[in-house]
Amino acid sequence: GIQVEQSPPDLILQEGANSTLRCNFSDSVNNLQWFHQNPWGQLINLFYIPSGTKQNGRLSATTVATERYSLLYISSSQTTDSGVYFCAVLSNFGNEKLTFGTGTRLTIIP
Amino acid sequence: NAGVTQTPKFRILKIGQSMTLQCTQDMNHNYMYWYRQDPGMGLKLIYYSVGAGITDKGEVPNGYNVSRSTTEDFPLRLELAAPSQTSVYFCASSYPQYEQYFGPGTRLTVT
Repeated sequence: GIQVEQSPPDLILQEGANSTLRCNFSDSVNNLQWFHQNPWGQLINLFYIPSGTKQNGRLSATTVATERYSLLYISSSQTTDSGVYFCAVLSNFGNEKLTFGTGTRLTIIP
Repeated sequence: NAGVTQTPKFRILKIGQSMTLQCTQDMNHNYMYWYRQDPGMGLKLIYYSVGAGITDKGEVPNGYNVSRSTTEDFPLRLELAAPSQTSVYFCASSYPQYEQYFGPGTRLTVT
């Protein structure tokens, strides 16, 4: 099946810093989503971005489908950005299973 | 819209007991899904449904059953609970091949 790798696994930053999270996937995809799982365990949809670039406030994402990667940018980090960021993809081939990466744990220090 | 709702939020089961996790969505989505998340991991698909009356296995279906009698509801049944089923369970819904929306999760402990 499709493989999804996220990097870095852990990131510790000072409040106000910028960060870039990467998601690599091994095959063509129909769907790519970025999620933020907050410290209470809630999964929050950030972006649905199978290709192209989107922005939402301090967050933006770019997916280059032909090169099989996606990037999530967080600017001017705040402590509320802490948590785990997951990339998940839906393969072009066959079933409806979203395959999740293992996540990037982001800690923002005040 | 309430989106995707799940009950209960927390549950402790003894080994061998059974329970049903409830999931309801009000977005008229055809597709619904059950995932589990073990500590420090991403989510894995248990079962999914592409419409009322149609269900299919995901990656980790053993020990679970589902039914889909309406568009809105997709309950997950655990029979003979085992410690390996201690996990956080998420329900999700979507239009076909499109963005999936997740419920708040049910934290289940089997002791």
